[in-house]
Order: sequence, then C-alpha cells, then structure tokens
Amino acid sequence: DTVLTQSPALAVSLGQRVTISCRASKSVSTYMHWYQQKSGQQPKLLIYSASNLESGVPSRFSGSGSGTDFTLTIDPVEADDIANYYCQQSNELPLTFGSGTKLEIK
Amino acid sequence: EVQILETGGGLVKPGGSLRLSCATSGFNFNDYFMNWVRQAPGKGLEWVAQIRNKNYNYATYYAESLEGRVTISRDDSKSSVYLQVSSLRAEDTAIYYCTTTRVYYYYDGTYYYYVMDAWGQGASVTVSS
Repeated sequence: DTVLTQSPALAVSLGQRVTISCRASKSVSTYMHWYQQKSGQQPKLLIYSASNLESGVPSRFSGSGSGTDFTLTIDPVEADDIANYYCQQSNELPLTFGSGTKLEIK
Repeated sequence: EVQILETGGGLVKPGGSLRLSCATSGFNFNDYFMNWVRQAPGKGLEWVAQIRNKNYNYATYYAESLEGRVTISRDDSKSSVYLQVSSLRAEDTAIYYCTTTRVYYYYDGTYYYYVMDAWGQGASVTVSS
C-alpha cells in the first residue's frame, strides 16, 4: 500500500502563506488530490491531479508536486481556512489518505 | 448541482449487519465510479470500497481490512450505490461517506485516473451492545 505522510499540525497567521506537505512512500505520478474538511462537515475536494484547482475553489489554493513529494499552498490564509487537510492518492488501490494536517491560526 | 444523500445508518449490535444507501443526482451517474470512505470518531479518512461503471463491468474493490464483510453495488437506473456490511465490530463505528468519482479517459476509452470529487454528508454507524 502507498503510505502518505503529512505533518500533524501547522500554525499560521492570517494573511500569510502556508504550505502543507505530503510525502508518498512510492511514486504516485501526479495522481495526488487534496481535500479540506472543516469541523463537522464532509471533506471537500480542493486540488486534483496534484495541481488542478477544482471548480469553485478560491484561487488562494494551489498544489504542486509529482512522484513522491507534494504540497498544498494557501496564500493568503483566511480565517475560513481553519480545517483539516488531507492528501489522497489514486495511483493504485487501495486508495490511501494522509493522516491529515490541522491548520491553526496563530 | 450534485446531490448525494446517504441513508441507512444507525445503532447496530456487534455481529449485526446493515445496508447503507446513497442516492445521487445532478451528474451523469453512468460515467462515474463510486466509492465509500469512512471516518471513525476523531480519526482520519479510510477508503472502504469502490465500484466502477459499466465500461469496466462494474468491477468492485475493497479495503483489505473489510474484505469478506462488505459488498458494494450500484443501480444505474436509480443513480444509487449501496454498501452492505456484515459481522459488524466496534471498530466499524464511523461516519460512512459516499463519494462520486470523476473519471478521466484516454482517447481509446481506458481511464488514466480518477478523483473523488463530491462527498455526501455521511451516514453515522455506531456498533455497540
């Protein structure tokens, strides 16, 4: 199985730039996707195939990477961005998720 | 607008079974794969099962941790997908999300990747005596 590793939490000031990383245990090409999950809500797709912005998602969100190293960037961070962020690979089954990064405001 | 509604959750005794339903609308269901993903209380996301579309003979795939206890199925005429889970254990307690899965194809019709693009609100399943 492809294991995805994320930092557990990040603290950032409003208006600043934050980068959330995800490392895969083996190459997933660009088949990495990012989800935002706010408290009590279902996950929401932000970025698909590493760098494509899902329709309706603010352009403050962007993604990059290929192979094993991926990043989700939020610039600038707004209060509404407080959430857990998960990376997920669809290069192979089983589909796997990172453990999530909790974004906190300083 | 895509609509997803999961039903069938509830309190189940250990060893019991349940069937979750997911009714959808607002997109071409026949073109999509469908997945179920679950989230235990306070935990992360765990993929449970996938069913592909008619082009892929409705092939099904399961997480190893649930294989043998879970069955995914779909009814294209109703734009619905189902998840049957048996021999339930306390560790199956979770919110079960139904996700639509958008598929990208090569020119020859084979897919090259897919993404879970929309998620329902989830069905809460509690396994307890």
